[in-house]
Amino acid sequence: GAGVSQSPSNKVTEKGKDVELRCDPISGHTALYWYRQRLGQGLEFLIYFQGNSAPDKSGLPSDRFSAERTGESVSTLTIQRTQQEDSAVYLCASSREAGGTGELFFGEGSRLTVL
Amino acid sequence: KQEVTQIPAALSVPEGENLVLNCSFTDSAIYNLQWFRQDPGKGLTSLLLIQSSQREQTSGRLNASLDKSSGRSTLYIAASQPGDSATYLCAVRNTDKLIFGTGTRLQVFP
Repeated sequence: GAGVSQSPSNKVTEKGKDVELRCDPISGHTALYWYRQRLGQGLEFLIYFQGNSAPDKSGLPSDRFSAERTGESVSTLTIQRTQQEDSAVYLCASSREAGGTGELFFGEGSRLTVL
Repeated sequence: KQEVTQIPAALSVPEGENLVLNCSFTDSAIYNLQWFRQDPGKGLTSLLLIQSSQREQTSGRLNASLDKSSGRSTLYIAASQPGDSATYLCAVRNTDKLIFGTGTRLQVFP
């Protein structure tokens, strides 16, 4: 597609429910990133996928968070047993190149509100 | 551990002024530095990407410079307009991931 696409754009859920957030990267981009942005704060790195390599999960805040990506296509970020502290905008980005030289392009984000 | 700082945190200027936004980082061994713009409730829009071997990049009224050895970058906005009002983020890459600063919130009033 023309840009990084994320869905849903907004999600309101009750504490304890599971949520899935989807990211469709730019076609041909091998690298995919998830970031979290809490209200009024900076971007926190969550996870990074590069082709078929093992993902870098070093930013996931707890074992309630997981993400998958099939090949170089869509990625899903799953949050189990959501907590109010998970409320944030979850941003996905993709990049053509791996290894640090590529420009990152971001989607519009998925705003998650946990009641 | 790479840390990225942006100064000022907020800036309010009248239309037409030339601006300088600052970004500093602690680890100079970077691959590149990228400047983004974020409008309220929106994602990030890439403005400029400077590779570690480059000194500056220009796009329209925007000019970004990079001094890797001193750990600094500046974003220069010429002839500011109300439509430039947004949060400006810099991010550096010295591994596979981008590390972000907390941004400069810019307001340009008519």
